[in-house]
Amino acid sequence: AQTVTQSQPEMSVQEAETVTLSCTYDTSESDYYLFWYKQPPSRQMILVIRQEAYKQQNATENRFSVNFQKAAKSFSLKISDSQLGDAAMYFCAYRSLGGATNKLIFGTGTLLAVQP
Amino acid sequence: DTEVTQTPKHLVMGMTNKKSLKCEQHMGHRAMYWYKQKAKKPPELMFVYSYEKLSINESVPSRFSPECPNSSLLNLHLHALQPEDSALYLCASSRAAGELFFGSGTQLSVL
Repeated sequence: AQTVTQSQPEMSVQEAETVTLSCTYDTSESDYYLFWYKQPPSRQMILVIRQEAYKQQNATENRFSVNFQKAAKSFSLKISDSQLGDAAMYFCAYRSLGGATNKLIFGTGTLLAVQP
Repeated sequence: DTEVTQTPKHLVMGMTNKKSLKCEQHMGHRAMYWYKQKAKKPPELMFVYSYEKLSINESVPSRFSPECPNSSLLNLHLHALQPEDSALYLCASSRAAGELFFGSGTQLSVL
């Protein structure tokens, strides 16, 4: 069974600085998706970024980028130029490729605080 | 339209009440999901519907009863809930592959 581990329960960053959130996962599959979701105090679950495992290039979305290390089964999220609105719980998630009912497996989350 | 719409946003119910949560999407997704989330915890999968058929039930108590009337709608019927069932209930939808799209949730309080 696949597992997702986030070893940082809480992180803090100064506004305009850069922070990296860690995620590792375990799987025997060769093709899959990895995601970072953000859940602000409103509790809306928002997709931040996605990575297909077959793509070697790291995904980037504006100030958000990932460092995907497939062999090491590591998928960290870097937030550049942090803003107050980035304060949220961040969940790393895994989904197998194909099959409409494939579950989204979540890590335990990292609570990010942004200091003004 | 890339939204998943959930109603109501908040619900307070007694342990003897019957209520329903509703979820709607118009993205043509054929998989729909119910998750339960406690504060500061990750969402826990409850049910998955694929092509309007229940495909996964994660050993959820029978006081939660899902229903998928058509490909755009998903309901969760609640009856005789316990205080420990108080949580945020999230609906999501997806294609066969890729990300799940989540609604904004229903915050449920059971008194």
